[in-house]
Amino acid sequence: EIVMTQSPATLSVSPGERATLSCRASQSVRSNLAWYQQKPGQAPRLLISGASTRATGIPARFSGSGSGTEFTLTISSLQSEDFAVYYCQQYNNWPLTFGGGTKVEIK
Amino acid sequence: EVQLVESGGGLVQPGGSLRLSCAASGFTFSGYAMSWVRQAPGKGLEWVSAISGSGGGTYYADSVKGRFTISRDNSKNTLYLQMNSLRAEDTAVYYCAKTLDIWGSYLDAFDIWGQGTMVTVSS
Repeated sequence: EIVMTQSPATLSVSPGERATLSCRASQSVRSNLAWYQQKPGQAPRLLISGASTRATGIPARFSGSGSGTEFTLTISSLQSEDFAVYYCQQYNNWPLTFGGGTKVEIK
Repeated sequence: EVQLVESGGGLVQPGGSLRLSCAASGFTFSGYAMSWVRQAPGKGLEWVSAISGSGGGTYYADSVKGRFTISRDNSKNTLYLQMNSLRAEDTAVYYCAKTLDIWGSYLDAFDIWGQGTMVTVSS
């Protein structure tokens, strides 16, 4: 099983600042990596697939990078609606696995 | 509008059974592999099971293999999860999720999620 490790667990950021979230895979997942945003009481929402392709309707302030085992989600200028938990997920191998999440909170 | 609506959750005793349903609308259901993903209270996301668009292929997480069965009825645009021998650790919100690419692989990101249905296993 591929283990996905996200860091940090919690990120405190002020509105308007940049946020950088990391995701590491225990073995290569090539570019088969997705990022999701989840707010309390809501289902996850797809932000990024293929490590760097924004999903439909996702603002340009969200960007993804990386391949192999190291990935990054960057939110260029945090808006109030961006405070949430973010998960990475690999879909290169069975079983599909998610990282433990990074909570982005208001500083 | 593309939509997934889960139902069938509830309170069940350990060892009991439950069948979840996920009604799909707004897209060509048979063209997409589908999955169930669960989230225990206060915890992260855990993939449970996947099924091909035709229903001919299925995959399961080790934690549910032999106890859960995924299926679909493409004539009814509905996905199912039959859960048997339920345990306390199966307590979670269960989401159905649609893969991104039509006629694509089971191995894909999920672009549409349902609102989830809560399953509580307790005596």
